[in-house]
Amino acid sequence: QKEVEQDPGPLSVPEGAIVSLNCTYSNSAFQYFMWYRQYSRKGPELLMYTYSSGNKEDGRFTAQVDKSSKYISLFIRDSQPSDSATYLCALFSGGYNKLIFGAGTRLAVHP
Amino acid sequence: DGGITQSPKYLFRKEGQNVTLSCEQNLNHDAMYWYRQDPGQGLRLIYYSQIVNDFQKGDIAEGYSVSREKKESFPLTVTSAQKNPTAFYLCASSTERYEQYFGPGTRLTVT
Repeated sequence: QKEVEQDPGPLSVPEGAIVSLNCTYSNSAFQYFMWYRQYSRKGPELLMYTYSSGNKEDGRFTAQVDKSSKYISLFIRDSQPSDSATYLCALFSGGYNKLIFGAGTRLAVHP
Repeated sequence: DGGITQSPKYLFRKEGQNVTLSCEQNLNHDAMYWYRQDPGQGLRLIYYSQIVNDFQKGDIAEGYSVSREKKESFPLTVTSAQKNPTAFYLCASSTERYEQYFGPGTRLTVT
């Protein structure tokens, strides 16, 4: 079983839709939860990170962590074609002392 | 303009040749990392360095070597011992281990 599971997609939505991207994980020791956006042939860009359960909002993006279910989500409101990219979740624990990445979900927002 | 630079963007080599990928950062970060990304897979850690003149193997270090003689620079050598070197290579740096920032990547093709 992989430590982090992420549906690879592709996920195709119309412009203006609310997008939900998700990851599940197996180890309850993870403490920090990151979301990266990666455009084609580019390096990943850190969008947000959260520590502990709850929600964190930044503009159109909301990161949600449910530690009891070992489930993290990234919501994108009013999605734009420029949001079309691969979204990677990444988790960190002091025990592993490294980031563990999901495989990424490819998102396409069409006009 | 602070950031991480990787060069070259594309690199082509014949099988059996060693090749060195460059990574430079001017963010004054102590830690630097090398990852490999293959289609449909998450990023996998090759090597990391938390301080000058010190580095540790990641999950897939076989066939790779690094040096860290300067804080700003962390070059990666892909040796002929690496069985499947064709991949997208990403360099990152951080102050906190969970908050890593990535360069634009180098796409290496070995034929």
